[in-house]
Order: sequence, then C-alpha cells, then structure tokens
Amino acid sequence: EVQLVQSGGGLVQPGGSLRLSCAASGFTFNSFWMRWVRQAPGKGLVWLSRINSDGTSTTYADSVRGRFTISRDSSKNTLYLQMNSLSVEDTATYFCAREDFFSDACDVWGQGTTVIVSS
Amino acid sequence: QSLLTQPPSVSGAPGQNVSISCTGSSSNLGAGYDVHWYQQFPGAAPKLLISVNKNRPSGVPDRFSGSKSGTSASLAITGLQAEDEAVYYCQSYDDILSAWLFGGGAKLTVL
Repeated sequence: EVQLVQSGGGLVQPGGSLRLSCAASGFTFNSFWMRWVRQAPGKGLVWLSRINSDGTSTTYADSVRGRFTISRDSSKNTLYLQMNSLSVEDTATYFCAREDFFSDACDVWGQGTTVIVSS
Repeated sequence: QSLLTQPPSVSGAPGQNVSISCTGSSSNLGAGYDVHWYQQFPGAAPKLLISVNKNRPSGVPDRFSGSKSGTSASLAITGLQAEDEAVYYCQSYDDILSAWLFGGGAKLTVL
C-alpha cells in the first residue's frame, strides 16, 4: 500500500525548533518530488515547500523561507521539515504530500501532524 | 486573501448538481498552469479529486468532473450525495509568486 506516515509534531515554545518526519512506503520514494503543506486551525491549505526527487533542488513559500528546511533521506525513505524560529502563527496541522509523477498534483498525502507554538 | 478565489460555501439537495468555481488571474490559471482539485473531510488529509484540469484519479466517482477555461476553473458534482459534504480546494501554480497556491476552499453542504 502506498502511504506516507508522519511524526514529530507537538508543543513548542515561540522561538523554538521542531523537526517533522514523513516516512514513505509502497512506492519508489526517490523517484518522486515531495511537498509540505500546512493548515492553520479552521483555515485553508497553504503550500510551504517542495523538494525534487534527489534532494538537490528545494523551493519555499515566502512565509517560511530562511526558517524552514525541507530535506529527504533516500536510505530511510523519509522526508523531513526542519522548522526553526517558530512563532504562534506557525501553529497548524502539517501535511506531507507526494507529487504525481506526471503533473504537480499531490496524489498521496500523509495523515497530518499537529504543531502548536505556545508559551 | 488567496489569489485563487472560491466561494466560501455552496449547497444543494441530494440528487441535485452543483458547481464550485475557482477564479485566478493571468499569472496562474490564465498563464496556462494546470488546476487540481482536492476534497477534505473534517480532521482528515486532503484527497486528490481532479488532476490536470479534468482527470479523475482511479477510484473517484464519475459524478465529479473538472474544467478550465482562461483564468477560471470549475468542479462539477452531479447527483449530490450526503457523503459529498466536505471542503473542496482548487490548486495551481503562480509564476509571479513562484509558489503553488490553494484556493480558500469551498464548503459543500448537502441539504
């Protein structure tokens, strides 16, 4: 079964850091581009970051550029999002997603992990 | 405010047909970038519903269809069912922002 299983969310103080993980299975992980998307409570979806299949190219939304780092480990079939300098505005559910091989649609999604930034 | 504009809510009775619009601009839909549609139930991850303007992934009922023209796109749902009650998002790329955008989401209520 093709799936993405997320971990790493939790409660963190403002200014703190957190690393999210997204473990892939059921498909050839290093053939697919991957993304992170978040959703603040009661709000819509927001794209955060994208990484190419071999990890050599990354793109970020303005809201997280310089604070968040996307990476991947092909030996562990895992996608990461390192989040630094967190603020209360970063409180959200974070989703990892796989890009469809033939388009930039996200065809497989993780279950989501919640990050709460609060003192 | 999202650069892909969707109505915040749409509604219809079971069996009726509804359409959800997604209005963009010359830097996204109008520039020829594809639109994709997602369905999200409360507390769940989004699910890809329509890709590349009009393509249904395997398992998506043919009651769902997509179209795109110029700076706008639409998701049509025919024969509404209670299980269709969810939030629907459109998504595309914007070349001024150099970012992937989601619409604000349209909450479908089945009356």
